[in-house]
Amino acid sequence: EIVLTQSPGTLSLSPGERATLSCRASQSVSSSYLAWYQQKPGQAPRLLIYGASSRATGIPDRFSGSGSGTDFTLTISRLEPEDFAVYYCQQYGSSPPNTFGQGTKLEIK
Amino acid sequence: EVQLVESGGGLVQPGRSLRLSCAASGFTFDDYAMHWVRQAPGKGLEWVSGISWNSGSIGYADSVKGRFTISRDNAKNSLYLQMNSLRAEDTALYYCAKGDAPLLISGYDYWGQGTLVTVSS
Repeated sequence: EIVLTQSPGTLSLSPGERATLSCRASQSVSSSYLAWYQQKPGQAPRLLIYGASSRATGIPDRFSGSGSGTDFTLTISRLEPEDFAVYYCQQYGSSPPNTFGQGTKLEIK
Repeated sequence: EVQLVESGGGLVQPGRSLRLSCAASGFTFDDYAMHWVRQAPGKGLEWVSGISWNSGSIGYADSVKGRFTISRDNAKNSLYLQMNSLRAEDTALYYCAKGDAPLLISGYDYWGQGTLVTVSS
């Protein structure tokens, strides 16, 4: 089973700043089958990025994904107030199982 | 508009069974894999099970293997999760999620709002 480790656990930033979230896999993720999700309190997760770097439908271009192999990054170029949430990475290249990272909480500083 | 509506959750005693359902609409159901993902209170996301478009490929997390059974009825645009021998650690909000491809190797592009399962005596 591929284990995903996200860092940092909590990131404190201000609106307008740049956020960089990391996701490291215990072994290589096949064909960059890596996704990022955003979850706000009381809501279901929302797909942001799939295939490591492709934005899902309707996702603003301030969100970008990069990386390959075992190291992946989600970058939010200029934080908006609505971006403060928990972010999860997920690998879906080795099935079963599809695994999630433990999450990074992005909070307002 | 894609909609996924889960039902069937509730309070159940340890060792008992429960069957979750997910009614799908707004897309061609039998073109996509479907998944169940759960989230224990205050915790992260855990993939539970997935089923390919034609039920030909099915997967389970080790934590539920042998106790849970996923199925789908493409004629009814519905996904199911039969949960047997429930344990306290199965307590969670269970989400139905649509895969973005026919096979299990897929991200999840739409999610339901979840149905809460509480296992307690």
